[in-house]
Amino acid sequence: GQNIDQPTEMTATEGAIVQINCTYQTSGFNGLFWYQQHAGEAPTFLSYNVLDGLEEKGRFSSFLSRSKGYSYLLLKELQMKDSASYLCAEGTRNDYKLSFGAGTTVTVRA
Amino acid sequence: EAQVTQNPRYLITVTGKKLTVTCSQNMNHEYMSWYRQDPGLGLRQIYYSMNVEVTDKGDVPEGYKVSRKEKRNFPLILESPSPNQTSLYFCASSKLGNTEAFFGQGTRLTVV
Repeated sequence: GQNIDQPTEMTATEGAIVQINCTYQTSGFNGLFWYQQHAGEAPTFLSYNVLDGLEEKGRFSSFLSRSKGYSYLLLKELQMKDSASYLCAEGTRNDYKLSFGAGTTVTVRA
Repeated sequence: EAQVTQNPRYLITVTGKKLTVTCSQNMNHEYMSWYRQDPGLGLRQIYYSMNVEVTDKGDVPEGYKVSRKEKRNFPLILESPSPNQTSLYFCASSKLGNTEAFFGQGTRLTVV
């Protein structure tokens, strides 16, 4: 199975930048996803990387290095509403399965 | 509106009493799956389906059953629930291939 690691918690100040790292180890890699999940709610899709490099989408960017088995999610200009859990998930080729990390809880303080 | 609908949202039941959690999607997605989410463990896949009448085990299938008789529906069945199945359950659907998954609102199940 996959072994996906991400930090448990991070705290940052409103307006700041936070980077959430994620490492994975598997064969059959077919893309790295990031989801946002507010407490008690369903996960919602943020980004998908299948090639190396940086994908930017407004205040959120995601980076992938396949050779290092590494991704990060960058949240810029943090707002209070960004307080949530951020889930790193790896897709695999044969069964199209999504394997999730345990999630990183980000707390934004005023 | 494109959505995945789960019912019920909350359920408290007793050990051994069979229950079904329904899941329906209106996006004509081929791929559907069930996850459970427990503190510190993240989302773990229970079962998945790539198309009608095609289902397969995920990482934690013990104690669960599923069926996929129609493309839009993917119910999760607990034949004899036990307290260790107390969890938050999510249904998800997507196009076939590793694409964006859409999640239902979740079902919080408590087995006493």
